[in-house]
Amino acid sequence: SQQGEEDPQALSIQEGENATMNCSYKTSINNLQWYRQNSGRGLVHLILIRSNEREKHSGRLRVTLDTSKKSSSLLITASRAADTASYFCATDGHDYKLSFGAGTTVTVRA
Amino acid sequence: NAGVTQTPKFQVLKTGQSMTLQCAQDMNHNSMYWYRQDPGMGLRLIYYSASEGTTDKGEVPNGYNVSRLNKREFSLRLESAAPSQTSVYFCASRAWGQTQYFGPGTRLLVL
Repeated sequence: SQQGEEDPQALSIQEGENATMNCSYKTSINNLQWYRQNSGRGLVHLILIRSNEREKHSGRLRVTLDTSKKSSSLLITASRAADTASYFCATDGHDYKLSFGAGTTVTVRA
Repeated sequence: NAGVTQTPKFQVLKTGQSMTLQCAQDMNHNSMYWYRQDPGMGLRLIYYSASEGTTDKGEVPNGYNVSRLNKREFSLRLESAAPSQTSVYFCASRAWGQTQYFGPGTRLLVL
C-alpha cells in the first residue's frame, strides 16, 4: 500500500510562477524523499529530508517536513518549462523500502 | 559510473512466454528493488532484496520471481507472461536509509 499521498494530483502553472505540492503519510519515518519523473523516464532524486530536519533547500527547490502533522511540501520557485514532470514523495520507514505516492503531475505553460 | 542499468529496454512477448529482466548496479548498494509503473500511476513494488542473499515480496509479487545473483545484480523473471503484465519496469538500488537510484526502465508489451 502507498504510504505517501500527494496533493494535488495535477497542477498547471505559468512559467515564472511557484508550484507547491504536498505529501501526507501515516506512520513514523526515518526520512522523506522527493523524486521527479519526466515522461517515459526513470525517477530522479531531488531532495532527502531526515525526520529531525524541518526545511531543506536545493537550488529552486524547498522542502519542508512537519512530523507532528505527518506531512511534507515541495516548493518549486520561478518555474520553467523544463520543470514539467511528475513529482513523487517517498517515505523511508523501518523496513528497508521506500513507499511512493501516486504523484503530482506539474505542467508549466510558456 | 554507470549507476543502475537495465536490459532490455523494450520487449514484446506473447501470452505464456517467459523472460528475464536484468538489472545491475555499480554503486555497492545493499538493497535492490523491482517496481512496475502503469500509465498515469505511481510505482508499485514487486519484489525487493534488502541485502545480498535475501529477497522479499512487495505489493504485487504474483506472476513474478526474482534472483539476487550477487551484490550487483538483481533479476526479475516472468514465467508465463500475461497481458496484465504489460507495464514499464524499473529497477532501483540504494544504501540503507539513503537516496534511491533508478534505472532507465524496461517497456514490456504482452500480446
